[in-house]
Order: sequence, then structure tokens, then C-alpha cells
Amino acid sequence: AQSVTQPDIHITVSEGASLELRCNYSYGATPYLFWYVQSPGQGLQLLLKYFSGDTLVQGIKGFEAEFKRSQSSFNLRKPSVHWSDAAEYFCAVGAVEQLTFGKGTKLSVIP
Amino acid sequence: DVKVTQSSRYLVKRTGEKVFLECVQDMDHENMFWYRQDPGLGLRLIYFSYDVKMKEKGDIPEGYSVSREKKERFSLILESASTNQTSMYLCASSQVVRTNQPQHFGDGTRLSIL
Repeated sequence: AQSVTQPDIHITVSEGASLELRCNYSYGATPYLFWYVQSPGQGLQLLLKYFSGDTLVQGIKGFEAEFKRSQSSFNLRKPSVHWSDAAEYFCAVGAVEQLTFGKGTKLSVIP
Repeated sequence: DVKVTQSSRYLVKRTGEKVFLECVQDMDHENMFWYRQDPGLGLRLIYFSYDVKMKEKGDIPEGYSVSREKKERFSLILESASTNQTSMYLCASSQVVRTNQPQHFGDGTRLSIL
């Protein structure tokens, strides 16, 4: 069965600092991987996706993620965090009609 | 841009009531999904549909049913609402699997059952 682990429930960073959110997955085949962001009271917005090819994927809002098959990881990064990045972030794995989501990482940003 | 619209942002109902949550998408997507989101549990799939009048159970279908009479509309039904169904409900849609397109989400309905 597929699964996703986001080890960090809550992360706090200072504005301007770099960010890395961790995601580890378990999946029986080549995974389709996604990162979504959810602002308070809103739905989920797609940040980026990986299906195949280049293992470093660029997304919206200056985010990127790197797929590492050997580590079963798909970590999300941003070189310089903005206050507006404060939100909850979800990693997801699987085929499109059977996505499994992680439990999320809440990001707080200190001005 | 894909637009997924959920009919209510906030809804308050009473125990035992029959509750309808409506979702409409404007991109002619084949797949539609209903999730519930609870703190510490992430998103859990309730039902999904890959075509009109078709439905498949997700991970937590108990206490829920769905209806998809038209391609653009997917309804979630709580047959007899209970307090443990108080939650945030998210609808999503996507194109067919072979195009590997991501799911697009609505803004959610926060449902409270009293």
C-alpha cells in the first residue's frame, strides 16, 4: 500500500531564511508526486508535480522539489521564505485517482 | 484556470439531518473526488467518480453517499448527520488518468453538526 510521511508537523522559520520540508513515500511503482499548499480557510493549491524526467522540479511561488528514488524522498525547498508562505503544506503520492496525502507540515514565518 | 466551486463555505446542521454538499467544476474533467480533512489526519478520500453515474468508495465511505448525474457536478450526501462528521470537506477534480493531470481543489466546506 502506498503511504506518505511528513516527519515535521510544525516548522518555524525567519523571513528570508531557507526552507526545506521533508516528504518520504512508499509506493510500489514509479511514483507520481505532488506538493500542495493550503492557506488558512482555503482549499489546496498545487505547487509542483513530478511524473518523470528531471528529478529537480520547479514550481510556483519560487518553490522547487527534488525526487530522490534511493531515499524515497521528495523534499520541498525554497531559498528565501516570505511571510506570505505561512501555510500548511501537503505532500501526495500515487496515481491521480488514488492519491495518498501526508498529514501536512504547518509552516510559521517569523518577521 | 480550473475552477472548482463548492456551494457553501460554512454549514451548520443538526444531528440526524440529511445534508447535501455540492461541488461544480468548469473544466469538463472526468474525475471528481470528495475528501474530508481533520487536524492531524490530513486528507482522507471518501468517494470518487470517474464518469457520470459512476462512483467508487475511497478510504472512509461509511455514513456517506454520492451522486453524479451530470459531468460537472458531484454531490456528497450525509444520509443522517452525526457529530463525528463535523469536519472540513474538500472537493477536487482532474482529467483522465492517462494524462497524469493533478487534482484541482475547491475552497472547502466547513461543516458543523450540532
